Amino acid sequence: EPEVTQTPSHQVTQMGQEVILRCVPISNHLYFYWYRQILGQKVEFLVSFYNNEISEKSEIFDDQFSVERPDGSNFTLKIRSTKLEDSAMYFCASSDTGVGTEAFFGQGTRLTVV
Amino acid sequence: GESVGLHLPTLSVQEGDNSIINCAYSNSASDYFIWYKQESGKGPQFIIDIRSNMDKRQGQRVTVLLNKTVKHLSLQIAATQPGDSAVYFCAEKDSGAGSYQLTFGKGTKLSVIP
Repeated sequence: EPEVTQTPSHQVTQMGQEVILRCVPISNHLYFYWYRQILGQKVEFLVSFYNNEISEKSEIFDDQFSVERPDGSNFTLKIRSTKLEDSAMYFCASSDTGVGTEAFFGQGTRLTVV
Repeated sequence: GESVGLHLPTLSVQEGDNSIINCAYSNSASDYFIWYKQESGKGPQFIIDIRSNMDKRQGQRVTVLLNKTVKHLSLQIAATQPGDSAVYFCAEKDSGAGSYQLTFGKGTKLSVIP
């Protein structure tokens, strides 16, 4: 069964450093998403991406964040100058069509900022 | 602001019994709803979805009911099994044009007693 894969599974970084979280969406999917889940809280939408550009982003997704699809398979989330409150599980998801269809989630990357 | 929320944070059921997990939503513009299951250390896994023009949808051992009048969504799991133990999230999507983001509820933890 096709799946969304994320690397690394756990990333520890020092406050102020930049991190790049990587995702390989399902190969024939066209819509890509990043969500995050702070421990014990809701899963929160960050950004959606289609046709090599951001379709929609939340208030959380400020200038500290950026996304990129550097090649035909990877989808990355870059967090610049990390803060302690960026510590969370970051989930990548993809879907074959954007609106009203099933989004498949990856296993997540646990980011710990120390 | 409008949000999706859950009535019960935890639910314990005996193996073989039916489970009902509830969700209240407040965004009357939502037109698509999904139930996700999240096991420890994993990403959300799609269970079943329903569009706002329906009031019931059935899957394998699961049924989702949508009551738009009172803005209520429920997930029924028949013959609950130990493997059903997880946190269950409802999520909604706004019908607004170009809106791709899912808004998740807080989650209900289902524990199945063998």
